[in-house]
Amino acid sequence: EVQLVESGGGLVQPGRSLRLSCAASGFTFDDYAMHWVRQAPGKGLEWVSGISWNSGSIGYADSVKGRFTISRDNAKNSLYLQMNSLRAEDTALYYCAKETIAVAGTPPGLHGMDVWGQGTTVTVSS
Amino acid sequence: QSALTQPASVSGSPGQSITISCTGTSSDVGGYNYVSWYQQHPGKAPKLMIYDVSNRPSGVSNRFSGSKSGNTASLTISGLQAEDEADYYCSSYTSSSTLLVFGGGTKLTVL
Repeated sequence: EVQLVESGGGLVQPGRSLRLSCAASGFTFDDYAMHWVRQAPGKGLEWVSGISWNSGSIGYADSVKGRFTISRDNAKNSLYLQMNSLRAEDTALYYCAKETIAVAGTPPGLHGMDVWGQGTTVTVSS
Repeated sequence: QSALTQPASVSGSPGQSITISCTGTSSDVGGYNYVSWYQQHPGKAPKLMIYDVSNRPSGVSNRFSGSKSGNTASLTISGLQAEDEADYYCSSYTSSSTLLVFGGGTKLTVL
């Protein structure tokens, strides 16, 4: 079964850091680009970051650029999101998602996301 | 403010067809055939319904179809069913350093 399981969320004070993890199974992880997408309470989806299969192409939303870092460990079938200098507006449910098509040499974000985890909640509050 | 513009809500009766629009610019929707659509029921993770403007993933009903004209993409749902009531989001690849943008979402109500 194709599955993504996020972990690492929690309550954190403004200005502090948090690292999210996403464990993938059921597919050849290192073939696919991967993404983080978040959803603030009662709000819409916001793309946060994406990374190509070999980490050669990475992108960030303007709202997190310079504060968040995406990475992956293909040997461990895992995706990560290091979040620094957290703000109240980063409070959200964070989803890990797999890109639909594996295409080497292209940036992440072209073909949609066909597998999603159930999300991990990040709350930034003093 | 979302990068892509969607109507906040649409509605239709069972059996009818509805269309949800997603308007961007020549840097995203209009410049590439990389528009996707997602369905999200309350408390659930999003589900991919359409990718690459008009392709349906395996298992998605053929009542769902996608198209694009200029800077506007559209999702059409035919033969509306009660289970189609959900939030729908479009997304597009963008030539900016951001790479991917979402629309603000559309709430579909089946009357």
